[in-house]
Amino acid sequence: GAVVSQHPSRVICKSGTSVKIECRSLDFQATTMFWYRQFPKQSLMLMATSNEGSKATYEQGVEKDKFLINHASLTLSTLTVTSAHPEDSSFYICSARDPRTTYYNEQFFGPGTRLTVL
Amino acid sequence: AQSVTQLDSHVSVSEGTPVLLRCNYSSSYSPSLFWYVQHPNKGLQLLLKYTSAATLVKGINGFEAEFKKSETSFHLTKPSAHMSDAAEYFCVVSGKGNNLFFGTGTRLTVIP
Repeated sequence: GAVVSQHPSRVICKSGTSVKIECRSLDFQATTMFWYRQFPKQSLMLMATSNEGSKATYEQGVEKDKFLINHASLTLSTLTVTSAHPEDSSFYICSARDPRTTYYNEQFFGPGTRLTVL
Repeated sequence: AQSVTQLDSHVSVSEGTPVLLRCNYSSSYSPSLFWYVQHPNKGLQLLLKYTSAATLVKGINGFEAEFKKSETSFHLTKPSAHMSDAAEYFCVVSGKGNNLFFGTGTRLTVIP
C-alpha cells in the first residue's frame, strides 16, 4: 500500500523560532497532500490542502503566513511553522492521496510530528 | 454537507469480549466511509473502508463494519477484543471532493 513518511517525528524548539516539517510519499506521486493538526485527546482538524505546483488552500481560521506550505515536487510537501509560540505545540499529521485510488477519496497518513514550543 | 458523530467518547471492554464502536454520519452525497485507528503518538492506520460496494466491510485485525443507509450508521465491531486493540478509533466520512471529515474519536480500553 501507499506509504507516507514525516520528518522529524518529534521536535522541541524555542519560542520565536521557525520549524519545518517534511511529508513525503514514498512509493507514489501525490499531487495533493493534506496537513492536519491534532490537539491532545481531540480529533484531527484539517489545516490546509497542499497542491503540487500551486498555492495551498487553507481552512478558515488558519493563518497562511504562520503556517507556510510548499509542495515543490510530487513526493514532498513541507509545513513551516514560523515564529512558533507555545500555543502552536501540537501533533501535526500529513496525508496524501494516491492517484491510483482517487475514486475512493482515501488518504494515506504519515506517522505525525510532535511539536513542542518552549 | 458531511459530518460524523461518534456516539461514545470512551468504550471499555474485557479482553475476549465483543467490541462495538458506534458511528452515525450525515452526507449530502453517496458517502465513502472509513474507520482509522491511532495508537498513542502514532499516525492513523486504515482499518476498513466502505465505497458503495458490499454493505458489510471486513477490515484488518478482525474488525468489520456494516453500512446501514436507513440508519445512517457505520458501526465498527470485532467479535473478540485483544489487548493490542486498545487505541483511539476515528470514523471518517468523505463526500464529493477531497476532504475527509473526522469524528471526535472513541478511546477503546481493553481490560485484561
